[in-house]
Amino acid sequence: DAKTTQPTSMDCAEGRAANLPCNHSTISGNEYVYWYRQIHSQGPQYIIHGLKNNETNEMASLIITEDRKSSTLILPHATLRDTAVYYCIVSSPSGGGADGLTFGKGTHLIIQP
Amino acid sequence: DAGITQSPRHKVTETGTPVTLRCHQTENHRYMYWYRQDPGHGLRLIHYSYGVKDTDKGEVSDGYSVSRSKTEDFLLTLESATSSQTSVYFCAISESDKRETQYFGPGTRLLVL
Repeated sequence: DAKTTQPTSMDCAEGRAANLPCNHSTISGNEYVYWYRQIHSQGPQYIIHGLKNNETNEMASLIITEDRKSSTLILPHATLRDTAVYYCIVSSPSGGGADGLTFGKGTHLIIQP
Repeated sequence: DAGITQSPRHKVTETGTPVTLRCHQTENHRYMYWYRQDPGHGLRLIHYSYGVKDTDKGEVSDGYSVSRSKTEDFLLTLESATSSQTSVYFCAISESDKRETQYFGPGTRLLVL
């Protein structure tokens, strides 16, 4: 699986959009970008994933650059409950799932009141 | 939330004793996983299962065994617990065709004295 690079921590004001970047410059053609988050003392939570098109669901939006070397997770209206560690994971459907997910250190997002 | 429970949620045991952790799902998902999470290491895959009686090793399988006799239950056993196995253990599940979209349980905190 390709490696990802994320900032260690970020702050965002409550009610504003939180934009979390992820670099994955070695991503290969069949690899998807997945985002998970982990709120303190809880299990990781799936957020969203995409291949090359932008994706949106009830939790967030995922913007993937045209060259697919980076992506941004957007939480449109951050709340205090969004404070968590956010993980960007790159994986191919054929091999990643069977071997589990590779979680890096992620970005600790702190929502400020 | 996906129907995943883990038991016990907390356990304190002594070095050398056997310990079994249970993961139970009500989603009828084929794939089940055991991860451990430690400071500085993130989440690491211990074992996974791709069906009843079908299991395989993950990144950190030494000292652990697993069993899956029913679709809904995946057991993790520490035959002789060591202090290095003090950790938070997470179970996860996924469907066959969406293996990278995993749903995690609440975790079990294990302390080996």
